[in-house]
Amino acid sequence: NAGVMQNPRHLVRRRGQEARLRCSPMKGHSHVYWYRQLPEEGLKFMVYLQKENIIDESGMPKERFSAEFPKEGPSILRIQQVVRGDSAAYFCASSPSGMHTEAFFGQGTRLTVV
Amino acid sequence: DAKTTQPPSMDCAEGRAANLPCNHSTISGNEYVYWYRQIHSQGPQYIIHGLKNNETNEMASLIITEDRKSSTLILPHATLRDTAVYYCIVSGNQFYFGTGTSLTVIP
Repeated sequence: NAGVMQNPRHLVRRRGQEARLRCSPMKGHSHVYWYRQLPEEGLKFMVYLQKENIIDESGMPKERFSAEFPKEGPSILRIQQVVRGDSAAYFCASSPSGMHTEAFFGQGTRLTVV
Repeated sequence: DAKTTQPPSMDCAEGRAANLPCNHSTISGNEYVYWYRQIHSQGPQYIIHGLKNNETNEMASLIITEDRKSSTLILPHATLRDTAVYYCIVSGNQFYFGTGTSLTVIP
């Protein structure tokens, strides 16, 4: 059983471009969480999705950021018109259910905006 | 925001038990206590979780006080590879990470 797969592992974008980060959850997991970690800081919750539905997006910036988890395919975190402050590690986690179960994390996507 | 308090850093001698404390005085009845760790810049790794009973697995033990306002993660025989940031999380439905405890295992 493969773990949570994130790709790309490293992504470089110029200011103003779009960044698309993909996350394939573990087999059988229908709950996906996205986190952002700035250098030397802790993980900050961004969004929680369950197949085709956004359950909690309280940690998502109001502009430029969006997330989806379609019925088929990976979850996508999309950042439009990236700025240097978006440079961070973005981690995805998945769990079989949303309540009281452990979440398994991917190895992250390191986004660098130049 | 995270509802836990942890010491920012701790040292532990290799081979000794590492005891990492966590205060969660505002925990509610249906919230679990989870522990994760992050080694260097890797993705966080699940360690253990519990509701009110003490729990043990192959990695660690979790001791939760009777009033559930605090807990301790115990790594029984710390190794150099246990050097990491350890996060205590109180969760009902999502995981909110605080700043964690940076554990350094010393040879």
